Amino acid sequence: DTEVTQTPKHLVMGMTNKKSLKCEQHMGHRAMYWYKQKAKKPPELMFVYSYEKLSINESVPSRFSPECPNSSLLNLHLHALQPEDSALYLCASSQATGLGYGYTFGSGTRLTVV
Amino acid sequence: AQRVTQPEKLLSVFKGAPVELKCNYSYSGSPELFWYVQYSRQRLQLLLRHISRESIKGFTADLNKGETSFHLKKPFAQEEDSAMYYCALIPGGSYIPTFGRGTSLIVHP
Repeated sequence: DTEVTQTPKHLVMGMTNKKSLKCEQHMGHRAMYWYKQKAKKPPELMFVYSYEKLSINESVPSRFSPECPNSSLLNLHLHALQPEDSALYLCASSQATGLGYGYTFGSGTRLTVV
Repeated sequence: AQRVTQPEKLLSVFKGAPVELKCNYSYSGSPELFWYVQYSRQRLQLLLRHISRESIKGFTADLNKGETSFHLKKPFAQEEDSAMYYCALIPGGSYIPTFGRGTSLIVHP
């Protein structure tokens, strides 16, 4: 299995809803990431988990809450989002060794906040 | 801090023409450099990494430390090459990339 799987593919939520995005990989990667990508823009790093511990939080608002239950799973819990949070949310994983293997990205969850 | 610059937001060529997508970086150490491609409505995919010196889908990229560049080249563009291309740098000792803003390549028939 050489993929990063994200669910759901599309999500529409109201500003008072609570929802979660899920990400799964079985490549033995020990670093997992959440990125936010607006149309025609590069991905913006949100969170990094290394060996299941949160190692980087890029000053993301608390309405986004990451969770790494185990080395294969990564969640992003969403609560009280704003319309400007609508974007493509990408999960990625890597070997966390800096050996130049690059990332494997999921296909993303396209989130619309109404 | 490191920085990746892709000077062209949009590059438009005709099928069969050579294409070069520019990437310049600033970093004081030895970086690892990558090209990622994102086709319309598809996931971001790793295209090339400088340490492997591969040719993928006819694309090549050479790291020029003197010019701090990692330009992506293809001698004969195809319509299916139309996509967003992102150059990315990982600093030595890290595993977190810095992405350039991306170049949209459009190959006309």
